[in-house]
Amino acid sequence: AQSVAQPEDQVNVAEGNPLTVKCTYSVSGNPYLFWYVQYPNRGLQFLLKYITGDNLVKGSYGFEAEFNKSQTSFHLKKPSALVSDSALYFCAVRERAGNNRKLIWGLGTSLAVNP
Amino acid sequence: SAVISQKPSRDICQRGTSLTIQCQVDSQVTMMFWYRQQPGQSLTLIATANQGSEATYESGFVIDKFPISRPNLTFSTLTVSNMSPEDSSIYLCSVTEAEAFFGQGTRLTVV
Repeated sequence: AQSVAQPEDQVNVAEGNPLTVKCTYSVSGNPYLFWYVQYPNRGLQFLLKYITGDNLVKGSYGFEAEFNKSQTSFHLKKPSALVSDSALYFCAVRERAGNNRKLIWGLGTSLAVNP
Repeated sequence: SAVISQKPSRDICQRGTSLTIQCQVDSQVTMMFWYRQQPGQSLTLIATANQGSEATYESGFVIDKFPISRPNLTFSTLTVSNMSPEDSSIYLCSVTEAEAFFGQGTRLTVV
């Protein structure tokens, strides 16, 4: 079955330290890969995506993610965390073939950045 | 990018009643998606709404409980019918171009 795993329910980092939010997937073919962020009491916002090309993709708010095909991973990273990065982060994938635009979602990781 | 207007933003409803949630997109899109999300948890897809055809429902969701309309390429509604407290949740509409865009959500509380 197709699935997305975010192995950590919560990640805690100190402000200024690097952060990593992990994502692995089990989807046939070479899917499109996405990260979304949800701030408290706000809607979901797109952060970044991997379609093709360079394995390191850069997105909004200084975030980046590294695609690793052999490990089927797409970990979200930021070199220096801010308290304002505290939010709920979702990894999602979509099949590349056909016109299927349905996303498969991870369960989310709550990021807490401590001052 | 698509801009999605969703309303109402929140509502408190009596059990046994129905609520219709509206979703308006600023561009024409083929597919619209309706999700349910418990606060702090992941998204659960309810159905995919296609213009000109019946909506496609995910396992565990049925048309009688969650009827969907899709009268044109920019608009859709989701009705939560015969509500019970278990239907209390956040309901989100979404469209996918290269990436997905979301409405701000409808926070529904059933009492």
